[in-house]
Amino acid sequence: AQSVAQPEDQVNVAEGNPLTVKCTYSVSGNPYLFWYVQYPNRGLQFLLKYITGDNLVKGSYGFEAEFNKSQTSFHLKKPSALVSDSALYFCAVRDIRDSNYQLIWGAGTKLIIKP
Amino acid sequence: GAGVSQSPSNKVTEKGKDVELRCDPISGHTALYWYRQSLGQGLEFLIYFQGNSAPDKSGLPSDRFSAERTGGSVSTLTIQRTQQEDSAVYLCASSFGRGGQETQYFGPGTRLLVL
Repeated sequence: AQSVAQPEDQVNVAEGNPLTVKCTYSVSGNPYLFWYVQYPNRGLQFLLKYITGDNLVKGSYGFEAEFNKSQTSFHLKKPSALVSDSALYFCAVRDIRDSNYQLIWGAGTKLIIKP
Repeated sequence: GAGVSQSPSNKVTEKGKDVELRCDPISGHTALYWYRQSLGQGLEFLIYFQGNSAPDKSGLPSDRFSAERTGGSVSTLTIQRTQQEDSAVYLCASSFGRGGQETQYFGPGTRLLVL
């Protein structure tokens, strides 16, 4: 069965420091991987995705994520955090061989950036 | 329009009443998804449309929930005889196709409160 784990409910980072939001996944085949961000009282916004090719994916707002097949991880990173990055972050996965249309979603990680 | 739109943005209703939630997907997007998000929680998949067809309705939590899509565009999610546990944010997303690599784009959501 496909699954996604975001092991941290909350991550606290000081402004200007690097940030990492963790995501690990489990699929039978190869994955398509996505990161979304949700600001308070807003819908989800797409940040980036891994489909194939370069393991390092760059996305919106200076975020990037590295696909690590051996560790089945897709951690979200940013070199220097901004207070405005404070939000709820969701990781999602789909097995590329799966004809099912559903994305499997993580439970979300609340990122708090302190000035 | 430029993005996915949903209406109403907020809905307060009394227990036992019926409600209709509307989603306008991005023009040209053939796939449409409904999700439910309880306060501060992850996403619960409800139903998916490819064109006007819903291949899988198993995510709908009860027979009080139904959805339709007409003209391959607008979708309506109907909740009959609402219960307090139906209170949540209902999110709609659309994508260009149903392929696994397709990005889902989300609307701002409808916040439903059942008193």
